[in-house]
Amino acid sequence: GNSVTQMEGPVTLSEEAFLTINCTYTATGYPSLFWYVQYPGEGLQLLLKATKADDKGSNKGFEATYRKETTSFHLEKGSVQVSDSAVYFCALEDTGFQKLVFGTGTRLLVSP
Amino acid sequence: DAGVTQSPTHLIKTRGQQVTLRCSPKSGHDTVSWYQQALGQGPQFIFQYYEEEERQRGNFPDRFSGHQFPNYSSELNVNALLLGDSALYLCASSIAGGRAYEQYFGPGTRLTVT
Repeated sequence: GNSVTQMEGPVTLSEEAFLTINCTYTATGYPSLFWYVQYPGEGLQLLLKATKADDKGSNKGFEATYRKETTSFHLEKGSVQVSDSAVYFCALEDTGFQKLVFGTGTRLLVSP
Repeated sequence: DAGVTQSPTHLIKTRGQQVTLRCSPKSGHDTVSWYQQALGQGPQFIFQYYEEEERQRGNFPDRFSGHQFPNYSSELNVNALLLGDSALYLCASSIAGGRAYEQYFGPGTRLTVT
C-alpha cells in the first residue's frame, strides 16, 4: 500500500537557522502530498499542500516541492523561529474517501 | 465556530475494559474520520462515517467500532482494551466529497491503558 517515510527527530536548531525535513513516499500514481504541523495540545493543522508533480506548496515561510523523479516532498524554511517548535508530519492522500496516510513525524526544537 | 471538539481530553482505563470517545464535527461538516496516533508515530486511519454508516475502514480489529448520530457527531468504541491501545485518538471532520486536506482535526483524546 501507499506509505510515507520521513526523517527521525528531534531536529534541534538555533533561531534563524535553515530547516530541512526529508520526506519520501511510495505510492501508486501521483497522490496529493501534504505537510501537517502539530503543536502541543492542539489538533493537526495543514501547513501546505501540493496536488501534482512539480507543484510547490508554501505557507508561513515553509516550502516543499513535489518531486516525482525522487518521490520526495522535503520541507524547508530559510529562517526558523522559536514558535516553529512543533511536530511535523508528511502525508499523502490515499485512494478512497478523504483518507490520509502519515509519516511518523519529526519533532523540531528551536532554541533562542 | 468551535471547530472540531473531542471529549474527554484524557482518560485512563484498565486492560479488558471498554471505552467510548466522542467527537463533535465542525459546523457544516457531515463526515467524521477517526485516527489513532501512538506515541512517537504518525496518525493511522481507523474508519470514516458518513450518513450514519461506516464508509471506509483501516487495518484495525473489530474491537474498534463506531457510530454516527443524526447531528453528525460520532463515537469511537474500543472493547477489550489492550495496553497497545494507549494512544492519542484524533477525530477529523469534513464535507462529503471534499478532499482529504480539507479535513479539520480535533485536539484528540489521550487514552492510557494500564
